[in-house]
This record gives sequence, structure tokens and C-alpha cells, in this order.
Amino acid sequence: EDKVVQSPLSLVVHEGDTVTLNCSYEVTNFRSLLWYKQEKKAPTFLFMLTSSGIEKKSGRLSSILDKKELFSILNITATQTGDSAVYLCAVEKASGTYKYIFGTGTRLKVLA
Amino acid sequence: SQTIHQWPATLVQPVGSPLSLECTVEGTSNPNLYWYRQAAGRGLQLLFYSVGIGQISSEVPQNLSASRPQDRQFILSSKKLLLSDSGFYLCAWRAGGAQYFGPGTRLLVL
Repeated sequence: EDKVVQSPLSLVVHEGDTVTLNCSYEVTNFRSLLWYKQEKKAPTFLFMLTSSGIEKKSGRLSSILDKKELFSILNITATQTGDSAVYLCAVEKASGTYKYIFGTGTRLKVLA
Repeated sequence: SQTIHQWPATLVQPVGSPLSLECTVEGTSNPNLYWYRQAAGRGLQLLFYSVGIGQISSEVPQNLSASRPQDRQFILSSKKLLLSDSGFYLCAWRAGGAQYFGPGTRLLVL
């Protein structure tokens, strides 16, 4: 059965800290891995990763994929209170159906 | 640019009442469309997806149904709501390999 597992489930840090969020997967016919940020509304797209070892970066956020070990990490440096959210990881299957398998998310709280 | 609309934003319905949620996409043609449900504090559950007009695939057996009457319109329906149907309903579309979400509808069934 396909699955995507995120860790930790929740995390509390102080502003300025660096955090690393983990996403491991067991999915047949992998196509890509995606990261989303969800505050009290719909998820917003952060990154899509398809190749191992190539870092995607946007401001203080960065992510990398390891297709051999079947995991990805999302790093956030110099955290701010606005980074508080649930971070979701999803894997798209390389089938004709374009289905996505989501993890349950990591809840991050950044304290001022 | 492409945008996705959902309405209503919030809905309170009694048990046993019908449901119709609508999703429309602008700025693209023949998109892959998806309906997800997110229960409070839980992950995203894929309910239905569609690769074209009239083509619906169901992921989870339940009392919900979906229809795609037009290329850029995706509708989620129920004849009789259950308490367990409460949740955050999200419509999404696929573009460039990534998936983008509409603003969602919060449904509370009482």
C-alpha cells in the first residue's frame, strides 16, 4: 500500500531557530514529491522535487529529495512566527491517473 | 493566469439534507480536477478525480458523488448528509506536475 510518512508530527521552536521537517515515502511508480504550507485555509504550494540531490530554494525555505533512500527534507532557517503552519508532503504517482498521496503533515509553531 | 473558485466558503447543513459544492477553474482547458476532504486535525483524503468531462474516478466508497458537466466545472454532491461528512472540502487542479488548491468549503453537518 502506498504511504507517505511525515515527522515529527509537531514541533515548537523559537524565532530564529532552524528546523528540518522530514518526509519518507513508499509509493509505487514515483513521479514527484511536493511540499505545501497550510495555515487555517487551503494548502499553498511550496516546492516540487523530481530529481535526487538537487536543492530547491525559496527565501529561507529549501528542500531536497533522496530517491535512493526514499525521503525528502524541508528546511526553514531563521524561523519567524509567520512560518507557523502545518507542512504537508505529497507524492505524485507516475500513472495515467495523476494521483497524489499525502502525508498527515507536521504542525510547526514558532514562538516569538 | 489560472484561478480556481469554490463556493460556498462555509456551509451548515442538517443531517439528511442534500449537498452541492461547486468548483470552477479559469485560464486553462482540460485540467485534471480533484476533490479532497480534510477532517479536523487530519490529512487530506482524496475523494474523486477527473481527467475530463464526464470522467469521474472514485477513491473512497461513501454517500458522496461527483460530476463534471463542463470542462472547467467539478461538482461534489450528496443526497443525504451524514454527521461524518463534516470537514474541509478542497478542490484542486493539476498544472505542470504540481497540484493547486481552491479556497475550500468548510462544511458542518449538525
